[in-house]
Amino acid sequence: EDKVVQSPLSLVVHEGDTVTLNCSYEVTNFRSLLWYKQEKKAPTFLFMLTSSGIEKKSGRLSSILDKKELSSILNITATQTGDSAIYLCAVGASGTYKYIFGTGTRLKVLA
Amino acid sequence: GAVVSQHPSWVICKSGTSVKIECRSLDFQATTMFWYRQFPKQSLMLMATSNEGSKATYEQGVEKDKFLINHASLTLSTLTVTSAHPEDSSFYICSAEKTSIETQYFGPGTRLLVL
Repeated sequence: EDKVVQSPLSLVVHEGDTVTLNCSYEVTNFRSLLWYKQEKKAPTFLFMLTSSGIEKKSGRLSSILDKKELSSILNITATQTGDSAIYLCAVGASGTYKYIFGTGTRLKVLA
Repeated sequence: GAVVSQHPSWVICKSGTSVKIECRSLDFQATTMFWYRQFPKQSLMLMATSNEGSKATYEQGVEKDKFLINHASLTLSTLTVTSAHPEDSSFYICSAEKTSIETQYFGPGTRLLVL
């Protein structure tokens, strides 16, 4: 059965810290991996990863995919209170439009 | 950009009534749209995949007759919660896939409260 596992489930850090969020997957015929940030409403898109070893970067956020390890990490440097959110990872398989979501990592950044 | 809207944002209804939620892709055509349900402090649960012009594909455990999905055009999908009950109270989120880049964009969600 296809599945996506995120770790940790929850994380509390102080402003300025760097955090690394993990997403591992078991999916038949991997197509792509998506990262989303969810605050009070629906998730907003962060990154799409399809190729192993190529880092995607947006400001203080970056992400990379390791197809050999079947995993991805999302890094946030110099965290701010505004980074507090649930970070969701979703993996899609070829031949289906469906994405499988992980449970999410709840990040809280303290001032 | 890729903007997806949902209407309404909030709905409170009495038990036994039906509620329709609209999902629109505003600046792109979406052959496929998805409907999710989210309970407090939990991840998204896929309810069904909606393909334009054909029947929706429901996930296991989701009642087709309870949650009616219609994807009549490339920019609009609707979810109707029929004969809603308090246990249907939840946050319903739709997403639309931008085919050219295979990425899902989410609507803002609809919070349903059934009294």
